[in-house]
Amino acid sequence: DSGVTQTPKHLITATGQRVTLRCSPRSGDLSVYWYQQSLDQGLQFLIQYYNGEERAKGNILERFSAQQFPDLHSELNLSSLELGDSALYFCASSPDTVYGQFFGPGTRLTVL
Amino acid sequence: GQQLNQSPQSMFIQEGEDVSMNCTSSSIFNTWLWYKQDPGEGPVLLIALYKAGELTSNGRLTAQFGITRKDSFLNISASIPSDVGIYFCAGNRDDKIIFGKGTRLHILP
Repeated sequence: DSGVTQTPKHLITATGQRVTLRCSPRSGDLSVYWYQQSLDQGLQFLIQYYNGEERAKGNILERFSAQQFPDLHSELNLSSLELGDSALYFCASSPDTVYGQFFGPGTRLTVL
Repeated sequence: GQQLNQSPQSMFIQEGEDVSMNCTSSSIFNTWLWYKQDPGEGPVLLIALYKAGELTSNGRLTAQFGITRKDSFLNISASIPSDVGIYFCAGNRDDKIIFGKGTRLHILP
């Protein structure tokens, strides 16, 4: 158990819909990262927050957005969902940006 | 964009054999990380490397941060069945993390 929690574990929805994925980092960790993992693309870095502020952006689509709240939990919002958005979405946390990250168990999103 | 080339893509070995895999890049990284992912679970951090030339061990695992800062390797000694899984390297530069595509390790009975 990494100490990072993610909800929900599974999510099935339809194209065009909007969903919110939630992540609670390990106690004391200020950095939260979001990743997308699909079979053909591997692990793709989406976005990082540090202590409530956006720190780095990766290959995040404009239809996706994220935020980190004062209690340090984070949410990833995915809107206008497409079939190709079906993937595992991982959250990870670390004490600071230079350290290795600890991954949550992931949310499996299926868009039908 | 920055790319990490991880090799080999997959490996089939006998139990007890040593394993070696590596990652290379055309870009310099400040940190190299190695993860293992089991099916249906999140990646687990195995080793983190923060200085060029650094050699770090974690049990039967040993990893090195290349002197040029453009590569890293991971060795597993005396492999056991629970070593099966996908191993990812990752490089950190300017707060952006890039992952390799993974090395899938299979252990033959």
